[in-house]
Amino acid sequence: QVQLVQSGAEVKKPGASVKVSCKASGYTFTSYYMHWVRQAPGQGLEWMGIINPSGGSTSYAQKFQGRVTMTRDTSTSTVYMELSSLRSEDTAVYYCARDQGPWGQGTLVTVSS
Amino acid sequence: DIQMTQSPSSLSASVGDRVTITCQASQDISNYLNWYQQKPGKAPKLLIYDASNLETGVPSRFSGSGSGTDFTFTISSLQPEDIATYYCQQYDNLPRYTFGQGTKLEIK
Repeated sequence: QVQLVQSGAEVKKPGASVKVSCKASGYTFTSYYMHWVRQAPGQGLEWMGIINPSGGSTSYAQKFQGRVTMTRDTSTSTVYMELSSLRSEDTAVYYCARDQGPWGQGTLVTVSS
Repeated sequence: DIQMTQSPSSLSASVGDRVTITCQASQDISNYLNWYQQKPGKAPKLLIYDASNLETGVPSRFSGSGSGTDFTFTISSLQPEDIATYYCQQYDNLPRYTFGQGTKLEIK
């Protein structure tokens, strides 16, 4: 079955970077776009950006332009999301989501001094 | 960017009630709309795609309708396991998707 498995929780200091991975299985990795969405504690869903695993092209929400980088490794069917210059407001659960589903289990990123 | 206005933000209803949530887009998105269900501590689950198509395995008490700028999500007979937060999401403005603010559904 289609499955997305994300890397484990992270604790980072303000100003640092975090890189979250999302390993896909059960389908042709290059056939579906992958999204990254985050959810701050008690808040709604916020779309961060999208990557085309086939060619690696990306598009990011304006809010994250310059701070986020999405990449992929076709040899391992894994996509990555790196967020830099972290601040406390970036504390959230980060999800990868294949276009039109399913979603990964989420990765909690905590930014704290 | 397209803005999605979802209402109400919270809703309390009794088991067996018909429940309706609306979502309005700031511009025409045709039928490029998803509805998701999110239970506490879990990832969102796709229920409805293309505004009105039921995802495989989703109970038929869930339905969606609308096109253009106005959309409706309905639970025909609320069940206890439907307690969750529901989100609409547009995917017309590729590749920039946006979500509604969410509707938290509780049992009365």
